[in-house]
Amino acid sequence: QSVLTQPPSVSGAPGQRVTISCTGSSSNIGAGYNVHWYQQFPGTAPKLLIYGNHNRPSGVPDRFSGSKSGTSASLAITGLQAEDEADYYCQSYDSSLNNNVVFGGGTKLTVL
Amino acid sequence: EVQLVQSGAEVKKPGESLKISCKGSGYSFTSYWIAWVRQMPGKGLEWMGTIYPDDSETRYSPPFQGQVTMSADKSISTAYLQWSGLKASDTAMYYCARGDTTSYSRWGQGTQVTVSS
Repeated sequence: QSVLTQPPSVSGAPGQRVTISCTGSSSNIGAGYNVHWYQQFPGTAPKLLIYGNHNRPSGVPDRFSGSKSGTSASLAITGLQAEDEADYYCQSYDSSLNNNVVFGGGTKLTVL
Repeated sequence: EVQLVQSGAEVKKPGESLKISCKGSGYSFTSYWIAWVRQMPGKGLEWMGTIYPDDSETRYSPPFQGQVTMSADKSISTAYLQWSGLKASDTAMYYCARGDTTSYSRWGQGTQVTVSS
């Protein structure tokens, strides 16, 4: 069981907006640690999508956005496209685990 | 160009030892932590631990402490992950990733480890 909780799956039609939640606690997200998001296609390495809660690395479309509030964070994808179908993971740190890195369990995004 | 290139797929028997590698290039290898991340078949990402190549300081996630050993040879910009006695449950894809403050912007292509009798 992951320290950061994500829904196992979300889906949406092309053009729609979807959000993926990442729920933590007072020892990780709520403690002020940054949240980062990764996108992973089958058979490939994860790719950094959002860092520092809401920042996009160069080359990531502005259709992807991140936010954080309290003990939770969210990834929003607007104008959903077929090529967005992938697994998405949130990542932070946890003070109860010697400040070790923690990942969410991952969310499978299906584009209908 | 920043790159992390991992060693190739391995097929081993239970009880055997194994050392896989992750070679960095295009940046100062000794200035960034390298993390190892496990992904079991059909499962999510698990942070195993991290090593700072400059002085080989290591931090392990509790489930992996004592199960694996992380090391680095800064003279050849390479980090390693090793097992002394593999189990079938070690079958997974293993990724190395470069730490940038608190996120991981560069990842290796992954090394598939299969342990089967």
